[in-house]
Amino acid sequence: QITLKESGPTLVKPTQTLTVTCTFSGFSLSTSGVGVSWIRQPPGKALEWLALIYWDDDKRYRPSLESRLTISKDTSKNQVVLTMTNMDPVDTATYFCAHSGGGLAVAGFDYWGQGTLVTVSS
Amino acid sequence: DIQMTQSPSSLSASVGDRVTITCRASQTIYSYLNWYQQKPGKAPKLLIYAASSLQSGVPSRFSGSGSGTAFTLTISSLQPEDFATYSCQQSYTSPLTFGGGTKVDI
Repeated sequence: QITLKESGPTLVKPTQTLTVTCTFSGFSLSTSGVGVSWIRQPPGKALEWLALIYWDDDKRYRPSLESRLTISKDTSKNQVVLTMTNMDPVDTATYFCAHSGGGLAVAGFDYWGQGTLVTVSS
Repeated sequence: DIQMTQSPSSLSASVGDRVTITCRASQTIYSYLNWYQQKPGKAPKLLIYAASSLQSGVPSRFSGSGSGTAFTLTISSLQPEDFATYSCQQSYTSPLTFGGGTKVDI
């Protein structure tokens, strides 16, 4: 079965760079059509999509954050990594990774990790 | 960016009630609309994709309809485990965007 799990720091300081890793199993990120996204949710607020990486290494980013985001994959390790530079307290959120199986997640995000809460504070 | 607006933002209902949640897109998204259920402290769960297709394993009391800019999620008979927050999400174009959520409680 498909599983995803996020890992990374729980606390980062303002201006630091966040690196979160999604380790998955049950699918291959070299299979045509497969993608992994990062989505975040500030406490008590709505979900916000951040970035998507496809099986062919094509990438999509949220335009308002694109200058701060980098998404990458290591197919041999079954991992997707998101880095976000210049962290600010407003970036405090639970960060989720999620699997999608077709195009621009046209069939939705069908599998999610449990999420990892990242707090930005000095 | 395509804005997704849900209404209501919250509602109170009872077990057995029929519940309808609306999601409107700021421009046409055809049928590229997905619905999620989220419980506190948990990841979202996909309920409906492509506006009206039921995700595998999701009870048939959940249904979705609509196209273009107006969509609805209906729960035909609310069950105790359905008290949660429901969010819509468009997958027509990047950036992918979510609605603000509808909290369903007692």
